[in-house]
Amino acid sequence: DVKVTQSSRYLVKRTGEKVFLECVQDMDHENMFWYRQDPGLGLRLIYFSYDVKMKEKGDIPEGYSVSREKKERFSLILESASTNQTSMYLCASRFRQVLNEQFFGPGTRLTVL
Amino acid sequence: AQKVTQAQTEISVVEKEDVTLDCVYETRDTTYYLFWYKQPPSGELVFLIRRNSFDEQNEISGRYSWNFQKSTSSFNFTITASQVVDSAVYFCALNRYSSASKIIFGSGTRLSIRP
Repeated sequence: DVKVTQSSRYLVKRTGEKVFLECVQDMDHENMFWYRQDPGLGLRLIYFSYDVKMKEKGDIPEGYSVSREKKERFSLILESASTNQTSMYLCASRFRQVLNEQFFGPGTRLTVL
Repeated sequence: AQKVTQAQTEISVVEKEDVTLDCVYETRDTTYYLFWYKQPPSGELVFLIRRNSFDEQNEISGRYSWNFQKSTSSFNFTITASQVVDSAVYFCALNRYSSASKIIFGSGTRLSIRP
């Protein structure tokens, strides 16, 4: 059974903290994605990774960075968390081609106080 | 610019009714892919269907059917004889062929099926 796992389902952090969200996939997929989901806005792409050590900014990269040192793992980093980063964060992976569907993790609901 | 519009924010129907979820998209590309995903209460989005821009055939899978019309830039999703398990948020998405990362999701339609 193919899987995308995320390190936490719920996370509460304080303003200014450095936050790491981890995503692991076991399908040997080249492409990985980080989205945030907010009511009424759907899913918005934060960062995309083509393959190991390769990344591309999405539509809303400000305040975030990513790391992809191994093919199966894609980390999202909030350098200094702020209250407006309270959201649901979704990770996804995809076999390299555009026509392929994405496989999503269960999401991490992050609250920044 | 690309855009995906799901104008129906929420829909509520009684079980066994048919329901159609609308998706209208904008793109200047000639080659692109359209997707539907389902997000049940557990939170994990699940892939339902993919269509490429050159394939306008409608598709039926059990109680689900999809109507793709390039002339109106629409890719609508119909559930026949709805069931409570169909309750979820449904997302329509557009991916440009020329860019692996340019994926635009609609804002989603929350579907509630009442017993």
